[in-house]
Amino acid sequence: DVKVTQSSRYLVKRTGEKVFLECVQDMDHENMFWYRQDPGLGLRLIYFSYDVKMKEKGDIPEGYSVSREKKERFSLILESASTNQTSMYLCASSPGPLRPLHFGNGTRLTVT
Amino acid sequence: AQSVAQPEDQVNVAEGNPLTVKCTYSVSGNPYLFWYVQYPNRGLQFLLKYITGDNLVKGSYGFEAEFNKSQTSFHLKKPSALVSDSALYFCAVRDPLNAGKSTFGDGTTLTVKP
Repeated sequence: DVKVTQSSRYLVKRTGEKVFLECVQDMDHENMFWYRQDPGLGLRLIYFSYDVKMKEKGDIPEGYSVSREKKERFSLILESASTNQTSMYLCASSPGPLRPLHFGNGTRLTVT
Repeated sequence: AQSVAQPEDQVNVAEGNPLTVKCTYSVSGNPYLFWYVQYPNRGLQFLLKYITGDNLVKGSYGFEAEFNKSQTSFHLKKPSALVSDSALYFCAVRDPLNAGKSTFGDGTTLTVKP
């Protein structure tokens, strides 16, 4: 079974802090994604990557950046956390553009 | 741009009754459609997909979905609902020409009552 591991289940940070959310997949998948999930808004794509060192902006990239230095790891960075970034963050990976996404269990981030 | 709509925030059914969770889509090319389920405090799990071929697609846990090109719909169905089917369901569309970018609907909460 594919395993997508997000480093933290719960995270509490202060406004203005730099925050790193880590995601690792163990199946050599090419595509990786970061979404945020908010009630009533579904999943919104922040960034995705189709290869090492490659990244593409999603629908809501403002306030975020990403890093993919190795194929298995995709990091989401909040340069200066704000309260409106309090959310559930979901990482996903996929072996190809027509294959299903495999999700991690999410990181619930609270910014105070 | 591609998009997905799930017109119902909530669907309630009695155990043993058939269930339908609705999804409509908008894409510029061929549609590549997926259904996922999310249980509390968990990530999403893949249920089934439509890429090409038969309009009726069978998936995990007894779920199936019907692809209707003329109505641009991809409704999720199950002949007999279980209480354990209660969860949040998401419809999604992928764009293979954009590195497989996936766009999700807002989700539908399914509640199956005993």
